Formats: sequence, structure tokens, C-alpha cells
Amino acid sequence: QSALTQPASVSGSPGQSITISCTGTRSDVGGYNYVSWYQQHPGKAPNLIIYDVTNRPLGVSNRFSGAKSGNTASLTISGLQTEDEADYYCSSYTSRSTVVFGRGTKLTVL
Amino acid sequence: EVELLESGGELVRPGGSLRLSCATSGFTFGSYAMSWVRQVPGKGLEWVASISDRGGSKYYADSVKGRITISRDNSKNILYVQMKSLEVEDTAVYYCAKERDNGDYGPKYFDFWGQGTLVAVSS
Repeated sequence: QSALTQPASVSGSPGQSITISCTGTRSDVGGYNYVSWYQQHPGKAPNLIIYDVTNRPLGVSNRFSGAKSGNTASLTISGLQTEDEADYYCSSYTSRSTVVFGRGTKLTVL
Repeated sequence: EVELLESGGELVRPGGSLRLSCATSGFTFGSYAMSWVRQVPGKGLEWVASISDRGGSKYYADSVKGRITISRDNSKNILYVQMKSLEVEDTAVYYCAKERDNGDYGPKYFDFWGQGTLVAVSS
């Protein structure tokens, strides 16, 4: 199972919005609404911020939003804050009843 | 408060074996699927294995199939992974992760994670 495709890095200024894409295939992203996103700060464990494509767990800021079109999912962070600087990973359920992650995107808040 | 605490990571020789444990608290362990996810330091996340709530269904990544066995003890609220024939490429931080459902149809996403335990495979 190949990793999902994410940009290696994105950047934005405080207050701006950024979008991170996550591209898979019909066997994963395109075939199921089980796309999730994780935020990981250096030296810390990942933290679930989006599940089922668009849902936010309790306690996650509504500045984070998810969407999907075809084989590509996306994470948008609005009103960027310095604390948003982290690595972001998408993941998807697959047709083989497994999970595949993206390679990760490093977000820099300038 | 949900807590997951991994243990058992250490330096091991190629070809060696190791068992990792994940002690849990703060939720009804026997009602949720559990998984192991690993991360080579400085690299991305890789899903390794999952087990359904009662242990009846197990799922493995191709990269570890045949070398790793996931198991759980619902009476002790502990998740395990037994690893054998370890390779240098297995060197990683291994995270224990809780899933949001019972896992009957495989893993989907992970709502709580432990802090990880480092497995280093080197001669």
C-alpha cells in the first residue's frame, strides 16, 4: 500500500488560511469517508484533529476543517496561529481493511 | 482521562525478538479496537497492526505480516505486540493508539495515543 501524497511543506503568516492536500486512490481516499488528519508537534505523539473527512473531535478548534473531492482530501486551517506550526498527517481506511498514512506536511507559520 | 503507556522498547540485535506492552486506563478497554503505529525518528507515521475489541479480528501491515503478532488482555486492560525476526528497518518509536470503534471492519482512525516506546534494531 503506497503512502498518500501530501506536500512536504506549506507556510503561511499569522491570521492567514492554508490548505494541505492529501491524494490517494479509489481504494482508499476516494472509496471511503474515513479520512482523518493528525497534528504532531516535535517530540510529541500525534493528535487527531479531523475524522470521517469533516468531523472534529471535542476540544479541537473550529479553525480546522476537512473536505474531500474524489481521490483527494484536504485540511484547511484558518486564522493561522503560531501554535499551529507542526507536522500534519492524513490517513485513510483502505479496501484491504488497513490504514494508510500520508508522508506528512510540515507547516511553518512565518 | 484516557491514558496509554507503552513499555518494552530497547536495543535489540537483528533477528531478535521483543514484546511491547501498552497499559491503558480511563476508558472501557474491552469496547474499543486498539492499534500500533510506528514512526522512524524524523520520518512519517506507519500503521503496523490493529486488533478488534474482543480480539477476534486482527489486521497487519504487509511490512510486518508474519513477524508481528498483536494481542490484548481485556481483564488487565493491556495491549501487546510480539515482534520477531527484527530488522534494522523496524527501528522506530512504537505508539499504542486507541480507535474510535470496535474494529470489526478494520482500523479507521485513532483518537488517543501513548507517548511511544523506542525500538532500536542494530548490531
